[in-house]
Amino acid sequence: GIQVEQSPPDLILQEGANSTLRCNFSDSVNNLQWFHQNPWGQLINLFYIPSGTKQNGRLSATTVATERYSLLYISSSQTTDSGVYFCAVGTSGGSNYKLTFGKGTLLTVNP
Amino acid sequence: DAGITQSPRYKITETGRQVTLMCHQTWSHSYMFWYRQDLGHGLRLIYYSAAADITDKGEVPDGYVVSRSKTENFPLTLESATRSQTSVYFCASKSMSSPTNEKLFFGSGTQLSVL
Repeated sequence: GIQVEQSPPDLILQEGANSTLRCNFSDSVNNLQWFHQNPWGQLINLFYIPSGTKQNGRLSATTVATERYSLLYISSSQTTDSGVYFCAVGTSGGSNYKLTFGKGTLLTVNP
Repeated sequence: DAGITQSPRYKITETGRQVTLMCHQTWSHSYMFWYRQDLGHGLRLIYYSAAADITDKGEVPDGYVVSRSKTENFPLTLESATRSQTSVYFCASKSMSSPTNEKLFFGSGTQLSVL
């Protein structure tokens, strides 16, 4: 099956810093989503972005499907951004709604 | 806006017992999913359903049973719980109405401990 690798596995920032999280995948996809799991365990959908660029406030995401990677940008980070960020992909071969998740990037934002 | 709700939030059971985790969504989403989350493995798909009475296996279905008699409910049953099924279980749903927005929405999770 498709492989999804996220980097870095851990990231520690001071409040106000910017960061870039990366997601590499091993096959063609037509579904890619970014999620944030907060410290209470809730999974929040940030972006549905199989290609192109989207922005939502301080967060933006870019997927370059032809090169098999996606980036999540967090600007002016806040302590509430802490948690685990997951990338999940669905392949072009049929059941693209069955997502395969990466292992996540653990982000800690210190005040 | 209730969205997608799971119950119970926490469950402790013993090896060999049958356990059912409940999932209910109010959006009339066609697709529903069960994932388990374990350290070192991330989230893995157990079962999914494309509509009422249509279910299929995911990546790790062994030891689990699902049913979907109504669109809004998708219970997950562990027929004879084992310690390896100790995990956090997430239910999720998505609409099939828009090909340009396939967002998946998750419930709050059920933390299951099998002793």
